[in-house]
Amino acid sequence: GEDVEQSLFLSVREGDSSVINCTYTDSSSTYLYWYKQEPGAGLQLLTYIFSNMDMKQDQRLTVLLNKKDKHLSLRIADTQTGDSAIYFCAETYTGGFKTIFGAGTRLFVKA
Amino acid sequence: GAGVSQSPSNKVTEKGKDVELRCDPISGHTALYWYRQSLGQGLEFLIYFQGNSAPDKSGLPSDRFSAERTGGSVSTLTIQRTQQEDSAVYLCASSHDRGPDTEAFFGQGTRLTVV
Repeated sequence: GEDVEQSLFLSVREGDSSVINCTYTDSSSTYLYWYKQEPGAGLQLLTYIFSNMDMKQDQRLTVLLNKKDKHLSLRIADTQTGDSAIYFCAETYTGGFKTIFGAGTRLFVKA
Repeated sequence: GAGVSQSPSNKVTEKGKDVELRCDPISGHTALYWYRQSLGQGLEFLIYFQGNSAPDKSGLPSDRFSAERTGGSVSTLTIQRTQQEDSAVYLCASSHDRGPDTEAFFGQGTRLTVV
């Protein structure tokens, strides 16, 4: 079955880079996403990558996809206190009707 | 409206009562999803609608949970005989039909507290 796994917590210092990792089980995934949930707010799409890509960069965000290992990562450069949030990895797979989410990684940014 | 709207934003109910949660998706979005987020937990898939039909109900935790969608638009999630473990934030999302652009847009959620 489909499963998406993430580590639950990450703590970094302001100005450092953050790397949030995710593994998934469905090799037929078509799109993989990173969503951000700030305290008391809904989920917002941060970025996504199509499964035929290895990397996508968007300003401070870099997404890396290793299809062989079914591993997805999100790198946030120059992490700021405003980046403190829960980051959800998600996948939509070929032939599927739904997006499967990981449990979320809570990012703490220390000033 | 411009985004996914959910109501109520907060609901406190007594154990054993029934509750209805409403979701208004983005106009034109044929896919609608319900998720549940318990305190300290990730997102748990509940049910998916394509138009008015629900091809995937696999996430509904028990037969106390049901959902419907009418007119390919508004959806209602009903929880009967609520239990304390039903306390969570219930999130609704909508998206275009399956295809290259399957980004899901989320509502703000309904926080349900069963006392």
